[in-house]
Amino acid sequence: EIVLAQSPGTLSLSPGERATLSCRASQGGSSGYLAWYQQKPGQAPRLLIYGASSRSPGIPDRFSGSGSGTDYTLTISRLEPEDFAVYYCQQYGSSPVFGQGTKVEIK
Amino acid sequence: EVQLVESGGGLVQPGRSLRLSCAASGFTFDDYAMHWVRQAPGKGLEWVSGISWDGGRVGYVDSVKGRFTISRDNAKNSLYLQMNSLRPEDTALYYCVKDGAEEAGSEAGWFDPWGQGTLVTVSS
Repeated sequence: EIVLAQSPGTLSLSPGERATLSCRASQGGSSGYLAWYQQKPGQAPRLLIYGASSRSPGIPDRFSGSGSGTDYTLTISRLEPEDFAVYYCQQYGSSPVFGQGTKVEIK
Repeated sequence: EVQLVESGGGLVQPGRSLRLSCAASGFTFDDYAMHWVRQAPGKGLEWVSGISWDGGRVGYVDSVKGRFTISRDNAKNSLYLQMNSLRPEDTALYYCVKDGAEEAGSEAGWFDPWGQGTLVTVSS
């Protein structure tokens, strides 16, 4: 079973700063089959990125995804106030699995 | 606009059963795989189960195999999750989610969009 490890657990940043979130898979069998979601308090998750680097329609271009194999990154180029939230990565291709999440909080 | 509306959650005693429903609208329901994803209070996301567009293929996370059954009624644009032998660790918000595939009949594996969820609490 694939395990996804996200780091850091919490990222404390100021608006306007760059956020870099990491997601590492325990196995590399589903290379590129990686999605990212944003979840705000009291809301359902929202798809940001699929296929490791493809932005979902309507997602601002300050969000970008990269990576392959076992190592993936979500980058938010300049944090807007509405970007402070929890972010999850998810691997698909076989049995879907999520990472434990990274909270991006206001410093 | 795609809408997914879950129902059927509630408080149930350990060992009892509950059936969740999801009413879908705004897209051709029988063209897409569907899934259930849950989130325990204050915790992360966990995929629970998925079903292909025609119901011919289903999958489950190991912790619910033999206890939960996913099904769909394409004539009613509805997805279901029959949950038997419920345990306290099944307590969670259960989301109905649409597979993110762009082509009818295909499966992507990512989830978009999500319903608002229905809360299941298993406690005596």
